[in-house]
Amino acid sequence: AQKITQTQPGMFVQEKEAVTLDCTYDTSDPSYGLFWYKQPSSGEMIFLIYQGSYDQQNATEGRYSLNFQKARKSANLVISASQLGDSAMYFCAMRRPSGGYNKLIFGAGTRLAVHP
Amino acid sequence: DADVTQTPRNRITKTGKRIMLECSQTKGHDRMYWYRQDPGLGLRLIYYSFDVKDINKGEISDGYSVSRQAQAKFSLSLESAIPNQTALYFCATSDSTGSSGNTIYFGEGSWLTVV
Repeated sequence: AQKITQTQPGMFVQEKEAVTLDCTYDTSDPSYGLFWYKQPSSGEMIFLIYQGSYDQQNATEGRYSLNFQKARKSANLVISASQLGDSAMYFCAMRRPSGGYNKLIFGAGTRLAVHP
Repeated sequence: DADVTQTPRNRITKTGKRIMLECSQTKGHDRMYWYRQDPGLGLRLIYYSFDVKDINKGEISDGYSVSRQAQAKFSLSLESAIPNQTALYFCATSDSTGSSGNTIYFGEGSWLTVV
């Protein structure tokens, strides 16, 4: 069965430091996509970064990078130089590849708190 | 202005009432989705539509129905609302051509409370 696991319910980080949010996934499909979304307290879901299973290099988007370790089935999000505005829930998600359908399955999320 | 707009953003309704959540998008995407989020959980798929004539059930479609009125519009209905449908509902879109990396973009969410 396809599954996403985020083992850290909550994380704390000091402003300007880097933080890693863990995500492991389980799938038997060779082709899949991995996403990270940010959900601030206002509720909206904001797309952060995407990694395809065949991508040779780790994805980066500004201060966000994805540490993709395919053999370990992990796709950890690294936020560099944390800012107070990074405080939010973060969700890892996997796109189900079956039939080309673009459906996402989500992990339970990690709540990040950035302290000044 | 948001590319994916949901209305209403907040609604309190009574048990047994019918309620509709509407979604419109200006991204030009062909695929649209409705998700629900419960406290402490990730999002779960209710329904999805790959074009105007294509509607499919997701993981938790019981108690819900949808209508794809146009490529840009996708509405979710609760025919007879019950308290355990209290949740945050998200509309989302994606582009089948893959030009945006198959990314799914979400609306701002609609908070629904059933009392």
